[in-house]
Amino acid sequence: AQSVAQPEDQVNVAEGNPLTVKCTYSVSGNPYLFWYVQYPNRGLQFLLKYITGDNLVKGSYGFEAEFNKSQTSFHLKKPSALVSDSALYFCAVRDETGGSYIPTFGRGTSLIVHP
Amino acid sequence: NAGVTQTPKFQVLKTGQSMTLQCAQDMNHEYMSWYRQDPGMGLRLIHYSVGAGITDQGEVPNGYNVSRSTTEDFPLRLLSAAPSQTSVYFCASSRDRPGNEQFFGPGTRLTVL
Repeated sequence: AQSVAQPEDQVNVAEGNPLTVKCTYSVSGNPYLFWYVQYPNRGLQFLLKYITGDNLVKGSYGFEAEFNKSQTSFHLKKPSALVSDSALYFCAVRDETGGSYIPTFGRGTSLIVHP
Repeated sequence: NAGVTQTPKFQVLKTGQSMTLQCAQDMNHEYMSWYRQDPGMGLRLIHYSVGAGITDQGEVPNGYNVSRSTTEDFPLRLLSAAPSQTSVYFCASSRDRPGNEQFFGPGTRLTVL
């Protein structure tokens, strides 16, 4: 079985400050991990993914995420937030070892960047 | 490339009516999926397809049918709409397995009265 949790419904940060959006996961085998962003009234857009290799993954728009196997986490980070980063962020996981086609999405975290 | 397109953008149905949500992609992706998004629930997979002629159920398939006659198109059918199907529906495609990087359409907002 696979699951993903985004413990914060909303994250507030001031423009220019670093931001972190948290994600933890549970899988039986090897995780494939993803972050997507959704702007209002739009579909989801892929930001980045972890499959294997370096634990620090860099993605679009200056975002990065750190895979931590011991803590089963994949937190999304950005060194300096922009007001335009305000959106809904989804973490997703798929258990590659199990051969499942089906990813599990978190419930989403609303990021609000204040000017 | 238009990417993933969905029609209509908005739809209002009465209970018991039927309709088809259209989805098309022009990226020659083998894998396509339908999700519904409800507040506080994230995205839940309805049905998916791993290629033309092959479909399978996702997490919440009841009340929905799909078919995949071509690589490009993956329509979602509601045979008898219910208020519980009020939601935003997203179609997605991926070159690799559905669990890998996916490209999403703009969504269809459906209200069932």
